[in-house]
Amino acid sequence: EDQVTQSPEALRLQEGESSSLNCSYTVSGLRGLFWYRQDPGKGPEFLFTLYSAGEEKEKERLKATLTKKESFLHITAPKPEDSATYLCAVQATYNFNKFYFGSGTKLNVKP
Amino acid sequence: DVKVTQSSRYLVKRTGEKVFLECVQDMDHENMFWYRQDPGLGLRLIYFSYDVKMKEKGDIPEGYSVSREKKERFSLILESASTNQTSMYLCASISGLSYNEQFFGPGTRLTVL
Repeated sequence: EDQVTQSPEALRLQEGESSSLNCSYTVSGLRGLFWYRQDPGKGPEFLFTLYSAGEEKEKERLKATLTKKESFLHITAPKPEDSATYLCAVQATYNFNKFYFGSGTKLNVKP
Repeated sequence: DVKVTQSSRYLVKRTGEKVFLECVQDMDHENMFWYRQDPGLGLRLIYFSYDVKMKEKGDIPEGYSVSREKKERFSLILESASTNQTSMYLCASISGLSYNEQFFGPGTRLTVL
């Protein structure tokens, strides 16, 4: 069964304390893996797309990596404004309109 | 810089009412989606549309219908609202050429009493 699991469900960090969020997936064929940021009461906002194992993408304090079974979102020296829920989604090769979403990691960065 | 808009941010309806949620995108995208988001369950696909008047059921279509009469507009209809349809509803669109990232609207928080 195709599915996406994110861990941890919630993460509390002190400002400047680096950490990683995990997204593990099982899908018959992976076309792409997507990371989104979602602020409370808002829609998800696109961060990264990764297509193949070994690929890395960076944006400010965030870096996403991909292996054949999981992806990591590394947060370096986070700031309070990085607090949000981070969602992971995988796109299947057999249907480009089919996206499997994880339930997210809620990140809280304390000053 | 508006890309995907939804007709209401918050909506309160009574059981049995017919509810319309509208979504408009200004990116000329072919494909549009309706999801619902519930705590611990992630985003679940209700319906998607790949062209005007074309639609496909997602994972949880029961109790919902959709309409796409124009390329930029995708409507979700709750024929007879029930309390278990209380949720956050998110609309999204994606280019049918790149099939890259989905662009999401701000969401509609629907409460059915």
